[in-house]
Amino acid sequence: AQRVTQPEKLLSVFKGAPVELKCNYSYSGSPELFWYVQYSRQRLQLLLRHISRESIKGFTADLNKGETSFHLKKPFAQEEDSAMYYCAIKRGYGGSQGNLIFGKGTKLSVKP
Amino acid sequence: NAGVTQTPKFQVLKTGQSMTLQCAQDMNHNSMYWYRQDPGMGLRLIYYSASEGTTDKGEVPNGYNVSRLNKREFSLRLESAAPSQTSVYFCASSPRALTSYEQYFGPGTRLTVT
Repeated sequence: AQRVTQPEKLLSVFKGAPVELKCNYSYSGSPELFWYVQYSRQRLQLLLRHISRESIKGFTADLNKGETSFHLKKPFAQEEDSAMYYCAIKRGYGGSQGNLIFGKGTKLSVKP
Repeated sequence: NAGVTQTPKFQVLKTGQSMTLQCAQDMNHNSMYWYRQDPGMGLRLIYYSASEGTTDKGEVPNGYNVSRLNKREFSLRLESAAPSQTSVYFCASSPRALTSYEQYFGPGTRLTVT
């Protein structure tokens, strides 16, 4: 079964420090993976998708098929990065093909 | 362009009461979704509608029903609320089901069942 695992419920770093939010997935086919972010009092929104290989707000994420990972990284964390981050995989088969499966989320706290 | 709107924002129910959560989108999207968000559980799909006139169960459909009233509106009904349904409910929409990665979310409804 397809699954997304975010091992850390909470990640706390100091401003200016590097940050890495971990995401591992299980899927035997070619996965499509995404990161969504929810800032305080704001809606959940798409941050980035692996297929576009873009950098958004300084964040990048590389799909590593060998390690089945899609970790989100930023070299220098800012206080405004504090938010809830969800990794998601697109369901590739079955009755709800195309739907997203979300991980349980990691709360990032960036301290001044 | 309001995007995805949800009503109400907050609701308190007693066990056994019923209610309908409303969702509407003005982006002409074909697909709509209902999720619940619980601490430590992430987002779980309750029901979805790939296109107008169709609805399907998601991961946690028990205790809920949905109606895709038209292309804009997708409602979620709790027939007999239970404390286990205390959660934050999010509605989302996307242009098409098979390209559902770009989902646009509403602000959420915080529901408490006592």
